[in-house]
Amino acid sequence: EDKVVQSPLSLVVHEGDTVTLNCSYEVTNFRSLLWYKQEKKAPTFLFMLTSSGIEKKSGRLSSILDKKELFSILNITATQTGDSAVYLCAVAETSGSRLTFGEGTQLTVNP
Amino acid sequence: NAGVTQTPKFRILKIGQSMTLQCTQDMNHNYMYWYRQDPGMGLKLIYYSVGAGITDKGEVPNGYNVSRSTTEDFPLRLELAAPSQTSVYFCASSLQGDYGYTFGSGTRLTVV
Repeated sequence: EDKVVQSPLSLVVHEGDTVTLNCSYEVTNFRSLLWYKQEKKAPTFLFMLTSSGIEKKSGRLSSILDKKELFSILNITATQTGDSAVYLCAVAETSGSRLTFGEGTQLTVNP
Repeated sequence: NAGVTQTPKFRILKIGQSMTLQCTQDMNHNYMYWYRQDPGMGLKLIYYSVGAGITDKGEVPNGYNVSRSTTEDFPLRLELAAPSQTSVYFCASSLQGDYGYTFGSGTRLTVV
């Protein structure tokens, strides 16, 4: 059974701090890893990673995948209160038919 | 373009009642999914479908049923509601299993 473990489960920081969110996974035939942001409604897509060592970047957010060690990190620099959300990590098998989600990291950014 | 539409947005059920959560997508996606999200938790897959006429169980299918008679619609049926089914339910569709996932806005269900 596929497994996705995120850490920490919750994190409280001050505006301007840099945070690193972790995602480790066990999947039989890995295809991709995805990050989502969820703010009290449906998750919104951030990144999809398929290759090791290639950083994906969008503004202050970046993510990288290590397929040898089976983990990914999501970095957020110069955090803002608007970054407060649950960040979800998910993995897909090569069949590509569905995603398995982790429990999420609840990030709170205080002014 | 409506994307993925879920109805209702909120519902309170009594124990033992039945209901159907509706999900429709207009993107011609073959893949559709039902997830539930309990407070402080991630999304758990209930059922999914890779095309019309095909459905498969996910991680937590007990107490639910689905059908996929058309590409657009993927309703989720609760036959005998239990308090353990109190949750937020998300429907999603995708072009392929991981790429281009689109979520509906969710249905908050409370069983009392």
